[in-house]
Amino acid sequence: TQLLEQSPQFLSIQEGENLTVYCNSSSVFSSLQWYRQEPGEGPVLLVTVVTGGEVKKLKRLTFQFGDARKDSSLHITAAQPGDTGLYLCADYDYKLSFGAGTTVTVRA
Amino acid sequence: NAGVTQTPKFQVLKTGQSMTLQCAQDMNHEYMSWYRQDPGMGLRLIHYSVGAGITDQGEVPNGYNVSRSTTEDFPLRLLSAAPSQTSVYFCASSTNRGNEKLFFGSGTQLSVL
Repeated sequence: TQLLEQSPQFLSIQEGENLTVYCNSSSVFSSLQWYRQEPGEGPVLLVTVVTGGEVKKLKRLTFQFGDARKDSSLHITAAQPGDTGLYLCADYDYKLSFGAGTTVTVRA
Repeated sequence: NAGVTQTPKFQVLKTGQSMTLQCAQDMNHEYMSWYRQDPGMGLRLIHYSVGAGITDQGEVPNGYNVSRSTTEDFPLRLLSAAPSQTSVYFCASSTNRGNEKLFFGSGTQLSVL
């Protein structure tokens, strides 16, 4: 059974600071997805990465996929209060397996 | 632009009661699934369906039943509610092709007393 570990569990920063959250898998990812979930809502897909070493950028968000396809990071530059939420990584292998997530709070 | 619609938003049950969580999608998606989300445990797959008339078990299926009579609807039934089923439940759908985006509903918060 694949285990997805996300760290840190909680992260609280001031507006304008940078942050990085991590996702590690006990086995090779089939296809890695990052989601953001706001309170009271379902998760929303941010990005899908497939190729080892791949880097994708989405405005102030940078996603990196490890060369061995067993780890990933999400970096947010100049965080804003709107970035507050639960960040989840997931392995898409026909079905999704999720990590427990990192709760990010950006204080104004 | 309804997407995935879940009802009810909140529900309180007594132990032993039964109920059905409703899920409907208007995107003609073949794949639908149910997850439960508990603090510190992420989302865990309960049941899923790859099309009308086809369902299968996920990671935590015990105590839940599903059916898929139409493409649009995928209800989740709790047969005899237990306190351990207190959770937030999410329905999701996708087009059932590889690496596809999963669309989630806004969830049902269920408390079993």
